[in-house]
Amino acid sequence: GENVEQHPSTLSVQEGDSAVIKCTYSDSASNYFPWYKQELGKRPQLIIDIRSNVGEKKDQRIAVTLNKTAKHFSLHITETQPEDSAVYFCAASGSGGGNKLTFGTGTQLKVEL
Amino acid sequence: DADVTQTPRNRITKTGKRIMLECSQTKGHDRMYWYRQDPGLGLRLIYYSFDVKDINKGEISDGYSVSRQAQAKFSLSLESAIPNQTALYFCATSVGGGLYEQFFGPGTRLTVL
Repeated sequence: GENVEQHPSTLSVQEGDSAVIKCTYSDSASNYFPWYKQELGKRPQLIIDIRSNVGEKKDQRIAVTLNKTAKHFSLHITETQPEDSAVYFCAASGSGGGNKLTFGTGTQLKVEL
Repeated sequence: DADVTQTPRNRITKTGKRIMLECSQTKGHDRMYWYRQDPGLGLRLIYYSFDVKDINKGEISDGYSVSRQAQAKFSLSLESAIPNQTALYFCATSVGGGLYEQFFGPGTRLTVL
């Protein structure tokens, strides 16, 4: 099955700086790569996703890049704000399309004032 | 607003007891999932169901069973709870048909003593 590794496990940045979280996956058949944000005590929520026919996708201050050859994808957050502090999870679909996800172990992002 | 709900939100039980966690959704989604979240391990898939007659094991199904009573209801059972099943459990739903975003419930915190 699919295996997703996520780094770093914790990340601390100053407000206004950029943050990058990286994930690698093992199944070359994976074609859907979402990112979920989980604020403290809350449920995970989708913030951005990318499909394998696209190399990069942006939505305001967040972007995701995908390198299919190397089997890795990354989340980029620019101009970080305190409300970006949360746990971020990457996921990959494996060979079952986007309906069944394998999640990474999460990155605790702390944005310091 | 259409939502995913879970009951109970918190439960403390003893080793050997049978426990049922319930998930209901008013989103009209066909696909439902059960995950457990442990610190440092991310979200791991226990079981998933793509319609009422479809039940599939996830990566960590041992010690768990599920029932899809209706399109809107998906229950997770621990037949004989053990302490290492102490975790935060999330139910999630998705539309299917190429739309892969998963919508999570608020979670059930289960403690097995």
